[in-house]
Amino acid sequence: KAGVTQTPRYLIKTRGQQVTLSCSPISGHRSVSWYQQTPGQGLQFLFEYFSETQRNKGNFPGRFSGRQFSNSRSEMNVSTLELGDSALYLCASSTLTEGEQFFGPGTRLTVL
Amino acid sequence: QQQVKQSPQSLIVQKGGISIINCAYENTAFDYFPWYQQFPGKGPALLIAIRPDVSEKKEGRFTISFNKSAKQFSLHIMDSQPGDSATYFCAASMGQAGGFKTIFGAGTRLFVKA
Repeated sequence: KAGVTQTPRYLIKTRGQQVTLSCSPISGHRSVSWYQQTPGQGLQFLFEYFSETQRNKGNFPGRFSGRQFSNSRSEMNVSTLELGDSALYLCASSTLTEGEQFFGPGTRLTVL
Repeated sequence: QQQVKQSPQSLIVQKGGISIINCAYENTAFDYFPWYQQFPGKGPALLIAIRPDVSEKKEGRFTISFNKSAKQFSLHIMDSQPGDSATYFCAASMGQAGGFKTIFGAGTRLFVKA
């Protein structure tokens, strides 16, 4: 079974721009969660999607948004980028009822 | 109430020694406690997990000890090897809104000296 894939792996943007990150979950997994990982804050939960619906959301500003498609693939969008948005963005997929999550390799976003 | 506190922040262990990482939580609604291992340039990978109805779970060299009354759990790595050098995250998960929400500890960087 193929693992969770994320594209692109690396991204460099400038302040004020917007960015879209993509995540393809493991086949059969319908839940997709997004996390921001930084050295200072660790892994911070952004949001979780299931069947194209956002079920849970972390404490991030509205500049961070996401969506999920009918094939369970998910995208995350960050608008009006700030320097502090530089981080590793991780996507994780899971089955419906278990808390076990499978992470992708992440997208390294650098905001200049 | 949503926090998971993890210690130590970093750990150096001699090859063959025991590595111990501790975590504490506050919210008794958490019902799933996984540990993840992350190598540089990779996403976290599930190592071992436990539910609160069990006090200990062992998989190979990795053991979780769980103390429900104290709201604490720990990871023990027996016979630590240089290949175990990585960052370890504890986490606590609860059902919410038909799905689940997972809170991670801040991570422990483990270095095993050869």
